[in-house]
Amino acid sequence: AQSVSQHNHHVILSEAASLELGCNYSYGGTVNLFWYVQYPGQHLQLLLKYFSGDPLVKGIKGFEAEFIKSKFSFNLRKPSVQWSDTAEYFCAVNPPFSSNTGKLIFGQGTTLQVKP
Amino acid sequence: DTEVTQTPKHLVMGMTNKKSLKCEQHMGHRAMYWYKQKAKKPPELMFVYSYEKLSINESVPSRFSPECPNSSLLNLHLHALQPEDSALYLCASSQLGGEMGNTEAFFGQGTRLTVV
Repeated sequence: AQSVSQHNHHVILSEAASLELGCNYSYGGTVNLFWYVQYPGQHLQLLLKYFSGDPLVKGIKGFEAEFIKSKFSFNLRKPSVQWSDTAEYFCAVNPPFSSNTGKLIFGQGTTLQVKP
Repeated sequence: DTEVTQTPKHLVMGMTNKKSLKCEQHMGHRAMYWYKQKAKKPPELMFVYSYEKLSINESVPSRFSPECPNSSLLNLHLHALQPEDSALYLCASSQLGGEMGNTEAFFGQGTRLTVV
């Protein structure tokens, strides 16, 4: 089945550690790719997005992601995490043939816990 | 204004009640969405409206009835719900992409629904 996979379900890091969260998708064709963050008790916020062009995209709060088409991957990175990055992170795909809508298919999410 | 506003924030309803969730956006977006999110799970798409017409229904039970009165408003009418329908209901809006253009979705804070 076509899907979005996030490899890490629960990640625990100390402050200043580097972060990489994996995301793979199984849709063929052109896709739009997103990373969303959900802080405890808050709504989904967009971290970054990829539509086309430079496969290395920079987002808010020091996050970046790299689109590797050959690997169907869109991994999220941050060189140095902070305690305030503790949150749930979702990779999402706007699959092909979505009637030109922003229909999103989400990965299962990764819970990031940053220890001070 | 990049906000999607949802009301109410919290709702408790009995299984025989009828209630409605409301969503509003003033970004000129012509696509609006309802997602359902259970605890510790990713959002799951329920409905998509494009140009005020229902374009995607992800096999949602008929006890959920969406309505799009105009391009800024989206309602979700609830009737005879079950306790397992308790969840966070998220509204989102986006431009219509056209050839996989900008389909970034903006999410509201959600309505936390409890069915008793």
